Amino acid sequence: ETGVTQTPRHLVMGMTNKKSLKCEQHLGHNAMYWYKQSAKKPLELMFVYSLEERVENNSVPSRFSPECPNSSHLFLHLHTLQPEDSALYLCASSQDRNYGYTFGSGTRLTVV
Amino acid sequence: KNEVEQSPQNLTAQEGEFITINCSYSVGISALHWLQQHPGGGIVSLFMLSSGKKKHGRLIATINIQEKHSSLHITASHPRDSAVYICAVRRTGNQFYFGTGTSLTVIP
Repeated sequence: ETGVTQTPRHLVMGMTNKKSLKCEQHLGHNAMYWYKQSAKKPLELMFVYSLEERVENNSVPSRFSPECPNSSHLFLHLHTLQPEDSALYLCASSQDRNYGYTFGSGTRLTVV
Repeated sequence: KNEVEQSPQNLTAQEGEFITINCSYSVGISALHWLQQHPGGGIVSLFMLSSGKKKHGRLIATINIQEKHSSLHITASHPRDSAVYICAVRRTGNQFYFGTGTSLTVIP
């Protein structure tokens, strides 16, 4: 257990479903991130919440919607996904720019 | 072209061998991270470097800022070192660029 907990670990959803991924950290970090990892590709930053400010990668489709209700919790809401969205979704947290990341174990998402 | 390039992409070694994984980057950075990802997805942060060299157990990481290059060395490799090793560079703020990873298999 790294201090960053993601649920669920595995998720299979249809293209018309709505689901949410959850991330929780109890490390006192002030920034949280969503990353997408597809096969044979670099990790892709999707969203950053830092001191309650949201930064997003403009290439992320609107069918992905993040929510950060407080500095310890981060959600990724999913709706009308496509099969190409199947990937490992990783949450991470950090404290300011001078410290390393702590990653969660990820949610393996399969869109059918 | 990816801002962060790693080599080799795949590496197979015999147990006990000395292993080197290389990372080159093309952008200005404030820090470089080496990450280890085990089968199943979990990622562990191994090192964060902004200059020089760091050592932790059998792992050694070096960085040359002028040459925009970093290496991760594993001494006396063991099958439990089998994983994907990812180089990541941090730019201003919280922006990261990641390499595609080096898949290491250590054979007993």
